[in-house]
Amino acid sequence: GENVEQHPSTLSVQEGDSAVIKCTYSDSASNYFPWYKQELGKGPQLIIDIRSNVGEKKDQRIAVTLNKTAKHFSLHITETQPEDSAVYFCAASQGTGNQFYFGTGTSLTVIP
Amino acid sequence: NAGVTQTPKFQVLKTGQSMTLQCAQDMNHNSMYWYRQDPGMGLRLIYYSASEGTTDKGEVPNGYNVSRLNKREFSLRLESAAPSQTSVYFCASRKTLSTDTQYFGPGTRLTVL
Repeated sequence: GENVEQHPSTLSVQEGDSAVIKCTYSDSASNYFPWYKQELGKGPQLIIDIRSNVGEKKDQRIAVTLNKTAKHFSLHITETQPEDSAVYFCAASQGTGNQFYFGTGTSLTVIP
Repeated sequence: NAGVTQTPKFQVLKTGQSMTLQCAQDMNHNSMYWYRQDPGMGLRLIYYSASEGTTDKGEVPNGYNVSRLNKREFSLRLESAAPSQTSVYFCASRKTLSTDTQYFGPGTRLTVL
């Protein structure tokens, strides 16, 4: 099955700086890559996603890039704010399939 | 519109006890999922239900059973709890198999002593 690796496991940045989280996947059939944000005591919430026919997608301060050849995708958060502090998960799936394979998470801390 | 709700929020069991985790969604979604979340291991799929009346195993189904009671409700049962089942359990739903976004509930933190 699919194997998703996520790095780093922890990340601390100063407020206003950028944060980058990277994931790699193993199954070339995967074609949908969502990113979730999980705040303490809550369930994961989708923040952005990308499909394999797109190389980059941006939503305000958040962007995701996908390199299908290298089988990796990244989350970029610019102008970080304290409220961005959370655990972020990447995932991969085959879109219409049932299984989402999740990375192990990145704990992001934004220092005011 | 409450989204996905789960009960209970916390539970402590002794080894060998049984319990059922409840999940309900009010978004008229067809597909529902149960995941477990363990430190350093991300989210792993236990069981899912593509539609009312169907259930299928995910990545880690051993020790669990599920029931899709109706379109809204999807329960997860531990027949004989083991310490290895100590985890945080999340229920999720999405509209159809071809629709990608999953919506998660707030989770149930289960400890098995």
